Amino acid sequence: KAGVTQTPRYLIKTRGQQVTLSCSPISGHRSVSWYQQTPGQGLQFLFEYFSETQRNKGNFPGRFSGRQFSNSRSEMNVSTLELGDSALYLCASSWNRGTGELFFGEGSRLTVL
Amino acid sequence: KQEVTQIPAALSVPEGENLVLNCSFTDSAIYNLQWFRQDPGKGLTSLLLIQSSQREQTSGRLNASLDKSSGRSTLYIAASQPGDSATYLCAADDSNYQLIWGAGTKLIIKP
Repeated sequence: KAGVTQTPRYLIKTRGQQVTLSCSPISGHRSVSWYQQTPGQGLQFLFEYFSETQRNKGNFPGRFSGRQFSNSRSEMNVSTLELGDSALYLCASSWNRGTGELFFGEGSRLTVL
Repeated sequence: KQEVTQIPAALSVPEGENLVLNCSFTDSAIYNLQWFRQDPGKGLTSLLLIQSSQREQTSGRLNASLDKSSGRSTLYIAASQPGDSATYLCAADDSNYQLIWGAGTKLIIKP
């Protein structure tokens, strides 16, 4: 059974650019959640999607957005990148959040110069 | 607002020792509590999930307990091995579809 796949694994952008990250959940999982991990702030919740609907959103500015497609694959987008957006972005999938185990991808490491 | 704290921030022990990692949370109204492991530069691996109605869960050499009344969870690792070296994170599920994370305990097992 394939795990959670995140692409790209590494990317470098400059301030002001935008970036799109992709997450393919485990087959059959309908919930996808996104997290930002930085040395200073640790892990922080970004948003969670279930059946194409955003069920909750963390305390991040509107520059951070996401969506989920009918096949449960999810994307997150960060516009007008800032230096502080440099982080490891982690995606997790589960059958239904709140009732089961989370399975994480390896993450997408974003560096903003 | 839920806050999760992990103590200690770092721990170094000789191989073979039994050890306990601590996690405390401020709001007892959690849906479940999960323990994860993270190796350097990697994603997270789920270790144990304890539902709010449960007191503990076991998997191999790992045992996690949950005491909602005191706002505490512990992860017990028996007979530690160098391969157990990693950062261990706990996260409280606030039933609002988001996890609140502790800062983690960095564990080093010395051969």
